[in-house]
Amino acid sequence: EVQLVESGGGLVQPGRSLKLSCAASGFTFSNYGMHWIRQAPTKGLEWVASISPSGGSTYYRDSVKGRFTISRDNAKSTLYLQMDSLRSEDTATYYCATDDAISYYFDYWGQGVMVTVSS
Amino acid sequence: IMLTQSPATLSVTPGESISLSCRASQSISTNLHWYQQKPNESPRVLIKYASQSISGIPSRFSGSGSGTDFTLNINRVEPEDFSVYYCQQSNSWPLTFGSGTKLEIK
Repeated sequence: EVQLVESGGGLVQPGRSLKLSCAASGFTFSNYGMHWIRQAPTKGLEWVASISPSGGSTYYRDSVKGRFTISRDNAKSTLYLQMDSLRSEDTATYYCATDDAISYYFDYWGQGVMVTVSS
Repeated sequence: IMLTQSPATLSVTPGESISLSCRASQSISTNLHWYQQKPNESPRVLIKYASQSISGIPSRFSGSGSGTDFTLNINRVEPEDFSVYYCQQSNSWPLTFGSGTKLEIK
């Protein structure tokens, strides 16, 4: 059974940093692209960042480019999102998700982790 | 690529059959996927590549379309189907979602 478990969320002041983790199990992690998607309170879904199976390619939405870094440790089957220079508009539930190893749709999702950026 | 979903809210009676629309701002072939999100739950994929079914998803859910116009059909809505539905394109970066259609009980 595929499982994705996010951790690392919490309350952080504007301008500070936070690192999210997503522990994966139940599939061969190194074969799949991985993604972070977020959802602000009462809002819709917003793609944040993606990483290829090897980690050699990364993609970001413009609003987080230069502030967020997606990475992965295939030996530990873990996905990361380093978030620096956080802003109030980054407040959201962050989900990690797999794709289908062929294209960029989100096949399996974690339960999500809340990040609140506030002073 | 912008995805425009309509309507924003749809009020229906259980047992009705419905169609939800997703329109892309430029052609995306069939690189369009549909998700369902129930309150306080993570989204789940319903349909991939516009019309391909997903294992474990009830057969009352189906999708159609290509290019810029796509439709999610629900044949005879069940009580558990009342939730929010999103479309998402994987044709080009940045990946984008529609704003969602909320399906509510009339």
